[in-house]
Amino acid sequence: AQSVTQLDSHVSVSEGTPVLLRCNYSSSYSPSLFWYVQHPNKGLQLLLKYTSAATLVKGINGFEAEFKKSETSFHLTKPSAHMSDAAEYFCVVIGIYSTLTFGKGTMLLVSP
Amino acid sequence: DVKVTQSSRYLVKRTGEKVFLECVQDMDHENMFWYRQDPGLGLRLIYFSYDVKMKEKGDIPEGYSVSREKKERFSLILESASTNQTSMYLCASGEQYSGTGELFFGEGSRLTVL
Repeated sequence: AQSVTQLDSHVSVSEGTPVLLRCNYSSSYSPSLFWYVQHPNKGLQLLLKYTSAATLVKGINGFEAEFKKSETSFHLTKPSAHMSDAAEYFCVVIGIYSTLTFGKGTMLLVSP
Repeated sequence: DVKVTQSSRYLVKRTGEKVFLECVQDMDHENMFWYRQDPGLGLRLIYFSYDVKMKEKGDIPEGYSVSREKKERFSLILESASTNQTSMYLCASGEQYSGTGELFFGEGSRLTVL
């Protein structure tokens, strides 16, 4: 069975500094991996997806993630945090019938 | 615009009551899902449906049932609500076998069981 582990429950950064949200996956085959974002009192939104094409994936709002098979990782990064990036981020792996298995989430806090 | 609508944003119910959570999507998607979201636990799949009148158990189906009589509508039913079912419930829809992982979520229904 596929699973993902988000290594940090909370990450705090200052505005303008880089963001790193860590995710490791477990899968018996080449997985499809995703990052979703949930802003306060808002629905979930797809940020980016990896589906076995390029290993470096670019998403919305300047975020990107790199698939590293040797490390079983799919970390999310952004060069410069913005206040509007404060949200909860979920690493996700896809299964059969397009069911998604979510990590427990990482809350990103951005201070001025 | 893509839209998944959950009928109630906030509900307060008493222990033992029957609760219906309704979800409607306007994208003609085959797949529909119910998740619950709890702090520190992420989202957990309760039930999903890949066609009308079809349903499959997710990871935590106990205490819940579902109904999908029409393609656009997927209902979650709590036959006898309990306090441990206090949670945020999220409905989602997506294309069948797309492999893209893109699900479209409603804004959630926050249920409190007293």
